[in-house]
Amino acid sequence: DAGVTQSPTHLIKTRGQQVTLRCSPKSGHDTVSWYQQALGQGPQFIFQYYEEEERQRGNFPDRFSGHQFPNYSSELNVNALLLGDSALYLCASRRYGGGNSYEQYFGPGTRLTVT
Amino acid sequence: LAKTTQPISMDSYEGQEVNITCSHNNIATNDYITWYQQFPSQGPRFIIQGYKTKVTNEVASLFIPADRKSSTLSLPRVSLSDTAVYYCLVLPSLSGTYKYIFGTGTRLKVLA
Repeated sequence: DAGVTQSPTHLIKTRGQQVTLRCSPKSGHDTVSWYQQALGQGPQFIFQYYEEEERQRGNFPDRFSGHQFPNYSSELNVNALLLGDSALYLCASRRYGGGNSYEQYFGPGTRLTVT
Repeated sequence: LAKTTQPISMDSYEGQEVNITCSHNNIATNDYITWYQQFPSQGPRFIIQGYKTKVTNEVASLFIPADRKSSTLSLPRVSLSDTAVYYCLVLPSLSGTYKYIFGTGTRLKVLA
């Protein structure tokens, strides 16, 4: 059973460009969240998708947008890249009902470098 | 969402028990306490969750006093591989959509 997968592993972009990151949730999971983690900081919540809609959003500008597909996979898009967008981008999945656990499963992340 | 406060860093030696305390003074009645572990360049990994008193699993124990304004993650007999950042989160209810808010965490360094 594959866990959360993300692609690509690493990415280098130039300021002003646009980037798309991809995530496939763990089997059986329907809720996907995205996080940005700068070096030495904790993960910062960007947004969460369930039933192909954005359900929760953190304090991130509209340059950050996302999408969830019918198969529950998700994309994170960042427009007009800034140097400050350089970070590890993490995707996490869980099952909406949650059972009796808060456990989210995180992917390995995509390391984005903006030059 | 309840704000959490943890020590920035801790050092320990192999074989010792490590206790990391998290303060969450404005925790709400329905909030649960959850701890995650993160190694460098990896996503966080769920360790344990609890609502009150004591919870134990194969990895750790979680102690929550009656007023629930703090919690303590206890790692028994740590090894070098337990060197990581540990995050305390307070989360509402068990289902639905909600934000997982990570603070800066506690950097645990286990020494030989």
